[in-house]
Amino acid sequence: GAGVSQSPRYKVAKRGQDVALRCDPISGHVSLFWYQQALGQGPEFLTYFQNEAQLDKSGLPSDRFFAERPEGSVSTLKIQRTQQEDSAVYLCASSASSSGELFFGEGSRLTVL
Amino acid sequence: GESVGLHLPTLSVQEGDNSIINCAYSNSASDYFIWYKQESGKGPQFIIDIRSNMDKRQGQRVTVLLNKTVKHLSLQIAATQPGDSAVYFCAAPSSYKLIFGSGTRLLVRP
Repeated sequence: GAGVSQSPRYKVAKRGQDVALRCDPISGHVSLFWYQQALGQGPEFLTYFQNEAQLDKSGLPSDRFFAERPEGSVSTLKIQRTQQEDSAVYLCASSASSSGELFFGEGSRLTVL
Repeated sequence: GESVGLHLPTLSVQEGDNSIINCAYSNSASDYFIWYKQESGKGPQFIIDIRSNMDKRQGQRVTVLLNKTVKHLSLQIAATQPGDSAVYFCAAPSSYKLIFGSGTRLLVRP
């Protein structure tokens, strides 16, 4: 497709489970971002990739969060031993350059019970 | 660092009226601002942007005003339609990251 694609759209996990969220950016987009959006709040930066290099992971809340983009295209955000406070919408966005217009996916809504 | 905030969590307007959504920012060095629209169950979508060398920028039915003196910007939507119902965010880049405000939910009454 032409846009950023994320899967799954909805994920329910029991506390302590591991989850993996996938992002397919727009083809050819160099920059890829992950944001976390809690209910009623604006998105908050998690991490940034330029091609396969993770240049900034300062927004990741804890070492239970891990992101990768091994071939500079698809990215996966992994959350280990999920906690209730991890419940949020996880948004992926891509752009043609680090300062270019950002295109967001529809997000993956994670609910941790 | 930058912080942005929106003044009202919810704004209710009559269909056909004009809507004004406000946002304040903290960093006087910020030189670029973006407004996003987020419909339920979707990701934020770019509406319009403005650079600090401008006071006003117009798009289709939308106008963004920037007052650098008081570090305030607003999004004006003319003749608000039901399809405008969404949460609106202002955002400012901090390096390559975007810093978002908390959003204003626009409700359009028929």
